[in-house]
Order: sequence, then structure tokens, then C-alpha cells
Amino acid sequence: RKEVEQDPGPFNVPEGATVAFNCTYSNSASQSFFWYRQDCRKEPKLLMSVYSSGNEDGRFTAQLNRASQYISLLIRDSKLSDSATYLCAVKHSSASKIIFGSGTRLSIRP
Amino acid sequence: DVKVTQSSRYLVKRTGEKVFLECVQDMDHENMFWYRQDPGLGLRLIYFSYDVKMKEKGDIPEGYSVSREKKERFSLILESASTNQTSMYLCASNWIRMNTEAFFGQGTRLTVV
Repeated sequence: RKEVEQDPGPFNVPEGATVAFNCTYSNSASQSFFWYRQDCRKEPKLLMSVYSSGNEDGRFTAQLNRASQYISLLIRDSKLSDSATYLCAVKHSSASKIIFGSGTRLSIRP
Repeated sequence: DVKVTQSSRYLVKRTGEKVFLECVQDMDHENMFWYRQDPGLGLRLIYFSYDVKMKEKGDIPEGYSVSREKKERFSLILESASTNQTSMYLCASNWIRMNTEAFFGQGTRLTVV
């Protein structure tokens, strides 16, 4: 079983829709959580960190559920420019590796 | 702006060649990482380093080695390239503090023929 798992999608939703992704992690020692966005043929870039209390950045909301060991990303009022692959990442401790999920592909249609 | 620079965007090498992929970061990051990315498999960690001359194996270290002689530079070495090492290679770095993001280089698409 992979340490970090995501539904690969693709999610194909109309513009303006709300879409949510989940990402599960198996190591309860995970301490830091992130969502990255990767456009086609580009490197991943940080979308947002995920804090224990949940956090919001414009149309994007990230949540952490430690009891069930998952993080989520909610995108409201989706735009065509949101089409990308979304990767979740977890980190165990300060010196340790960052583990990525395999990514969820999102396609927004007009 | 943080800059993580990989030496090549595209490389074509022959089977059996020794291949060096170089990565340099300019933000004094302690941690540096090498990943490979393949369709359907996501980002898989090959090696990482948390200090000069320190290295730890990731999930798929076989066929690879690394070198970190200076803090800003992390090299990935394919001792004898094989066709199954054809992939996108991504270098990343971050500070050792807990909740800090990783910054990625632009990637090197390596083709082994």
C-alpha cells in the first residue's frame, strides 16, 4: 500500500462547479501537509499548506482530519485555469523526506 | 525568489552510459531531494539529503547514487543508464523547519536509448 494515496481522476467538471479531492496517508507520524498544483510539462508548485484548523485561500479550502488520516482540497467556483494535476504531500519530521501522492487530474470544461 | 536550477531540460543518453544530473539551489536550503515522475506513478523519491555529505535512500534508489559536496548542489548519478530509467527527473529543496514547502526545479526529461 502506498504511503500517500489519491484518486487519480480524471475529474471533469463544468466551469463554476465545486470540486473536492481527498488524499489519505498511512503514517500517523506525519506532521506537515501540502497541496501542490502541477501544470502539464511543468514542475509542481505549492498551492497551499494544510493546517490543523483548516485554511482557506480565496476559492480554495484545505482541511486536515488527523483521526481519519486524510487531507482534502475544495475548489469553489472552478475556473478553466484550474485545470491541472493536484498533488498532495506529507512530511514526517523536520529532516525527513516529503512523500507525494500520485496526483489527481482535474479538467474544467466551459 | 527561490531558484532551483537543473542543469538540463532534455537529455538523451545511451544504454550503459554514466549520467550526471545536477541541481543547484540559491536559498541555503538544508534539504534537497531527487524524484522521478512517470505517468500513473506520480512522484517517487529516489534519494534525499539533509546536509552536506549526508544522504538517505528514498523509495526507489536502485540504479542511482547521489553526491552532495556543497550545500547548494545535489547531483544524481545513473551509474549505468538503462532504458527503464527514461523518465522526468525533478529536483527539490526546502528548509529543515517543519512546515516549509519544497521548491522544485524545472525538471530534466531523460531519454535512454
